[in-house]
This record gives sequence, structure tokens and C-alpha cells, in this order.
Amino acid sequence: QVQLVESGGGLVKPGGSLRLSCAASGIAFSDFYMSWIRQAPGKGLEWVSYISSSGSTTFYADSVKGRFTISRDNAKNSLYLQMDSLRAEDTAVYYCARESVWTFDYWGQGTLVTVSS
Amino acid sequence: QSALTQPRSVSGSPGQSVTISCTGTSSDVGGYDYVSWYQQHPGKAPKLMIYDVSKRPSGVPDRFSGSKSGNTASLTISGLQAEDEADYYCCSYAGSSLREFGGGTKLTVL
Repeated sequence: QVQLVESGGGLVKPGGSLRLSCAASGIAFSDFYMSWIRQAPGKGLEWVSYISSSGSTTFYADSVKGRFTISRDNAKNSLYLQMDSLRAEDTAVYYCARESVWTFDYWGQGTLVTVSS
Repeated sequence: QSALTQPRSVSGSPGQSVTISCTGTSSDVGGYDYVSWYQQHPGKAPKLMIYDVSKRPSGVPDRFSGSKSGNTASLTISGLQAEDEADYYCCSYAGSSLREFGGGTKLTVL
């Protein structure tokens, strides 16, 4: 049974930092690309970042480039998103998702990040 | 503003068919056969319904089908059921490691 469980969300002030985690089970985690996707309250989905199976390649949406860092620990079946210089517009539910050939086939339940003073 | 354009809402009665469009450009939808569709019920995570334009994951009813013509992809739901009421999002590979989502379509089952 595939499970992706995000954690680490919460309330943070503008300019602050937060680190999200995604724990994977029931999947061959180290064989797959992984992505973070976010959804602002009442809005649509926005792809944020991906990381290759080995972790050697990463890519970011322009909206977060230079502020967010994606990483993974295959030994721990875990995915991370370090978010720095947070802005109000980063407020969203953040989902981790497994990628298979440009398709997000498994999703976590999401973790809410709120950026507010 | 989303890169891919979807209608904000569609509706249909139980048993009817509805089609949701997803319009992009030759750089995304028209350039690759990597269009996927996701269903999202309120407060829930998205669920994959269609991938590679027209393929269905196991467990997804065959009432759901996908297609593409030029720069526009479509999701058709036939034999509408009450539980199909949800938001639907298209997604396309856009080259250079980019992935793009549509703005989402709210499906109402009347």
C-alpha cells in the first residue's frame, strides 16, 4: 500500500523559513522522481519542484527559484523541501507526489503552510 | 494565470456525458503526449485519472477517457454519477523539465 505523508507545515512570518518532509512507504522510492506541488487556498494546483531518483538533478518553478531547495534521502525514503525567504503568496497546501514519466501517480494528503505576520 | 486553459465550470445530469477541455500551445499540450488529468474532491488530495493523454490507471472506471487534438486535450466523463462531482485539473509536460497545470474545472452533477 502506497503512502506519502507530509509534515512540517505551520505558521511562519514573512521572510522566515520552514522545512517540509514527505515520508514514503509501499513504493520503490529510490527508483522514482519526486515532486512538490502546492495549492493556494481556493486556487488551482501549481507545480513547485522536482528531484531525480538519485537526487543529482533538481528543477524549480520560477516562482520559488533561489528560495526553495528540494532534496531527498533514499536511505530514509524521505523527500524534503527547504523553504526560505517565505512570502505571503507561498501560503498553500503543499503536496508531495511520485512522478512516473511526467505523471504524478501518487500524492500525499498535503501539509498547510501559512505565511503571515 | 495558469499556463493551460480550462473552463471554470461544466455541468451535466446523471447519466449524461461531459467534456472538459485543456488548451495549451505547441510547446506543451501540442508538443508532447504527456497530458494527465486529476480529480480532486473538496479537502482531499488530487487523484490521477488519465495519463499519457488517454491511458487509464487501474481502478479508474472506463467512463473516464482522454484525447488530444492539436494543442487541446480533453477529458470526457460518460454516464455521469453523483460522485464524479469534483474539480478536475489537466497537466502537461512543457519541455525543459517544466510541468504545467491548468486552472481547474469544477464539475457539477445536476
